Amino acid sequence: GEDVEQSLFLSVREGDSSVINCTYTDSSSTYLYWYKQEPGAGLQLLTYIFSNMDMKQDQRLTVLLNKKDKHLSLRIADTQTGDSAIYFCAESPSVDMRFGAGTRLTVKP
Amino acid sequence: NAGVTQTPKFQVLKTGQSMTLQCAQDMNHNSMYWYRQDPGMGLRLIYYSASEGTTDKGEVPNGYNVSRLNKREFSLRLESAAPSQTSVYFCASSEGGRGGYTFGSGTRLTVV
Repeated sequence: GEDVEQSLFLSVREGDSSVINCTYTDSSSTYLYWYKQEPGAGLQLLTYIFSNMDMKQDQRLTVLLNKKDKHLSLRIADTQTGDSAIYFCAESPSVDMRFGAGTRLTVKP
Repeated sequence: NAGVTQTPKFQVLKTGQSMTLQCAQDMNHNSMYWYRQDPGMGLRLIYYSASEGTTDKGEVPNGYNVSRLNKREFSLRLESAAPSQTSVYFCASSEGGRGGYTFGSGTRLTVV
């Protein structure tokens, strides 16, 4: 397909780990990104991974990249209610960026 | 440290009216973008400007025009608004590479 694909919803309990998955389309993307959008706000860059890396860890966030399958995932450890938001993955094969539809993460107390 | 500023935040238009959405960035970025966000469809690129003096169409340019007024400002104009243009509009800027995009807080537009 030609779209960056993500599941639309994920619900977890506070303290559990969250894993958000994404399938991207263009293997020439140098960087792959995760953005977070809170209600009524714009997208905020959360983290990125260089395409020649398999994994990147940044505090509670772990990004895994499988280039062969064009699969990207974002793991949030010890998920908190403040992590409730919409998460977008994005690829950037050329001058512009292509976004998935976003995964709405709901964290239940 | 303003980043990307969009005005207005909310707007209601009648079908056929025109308006201009304003966007300004203070990060000295070369590239600027306009996206629209619709439920379940993610962000779709309307127009972009890779550098001052250039503009190019994105995925959904019909019904819109843009002006890159200077390096800081990139405006989006709806000449004759239609209900299908009801959406949330985001402006973004970028210097390329791993920095990704910096987004404004959005303009929520309703066309009735």
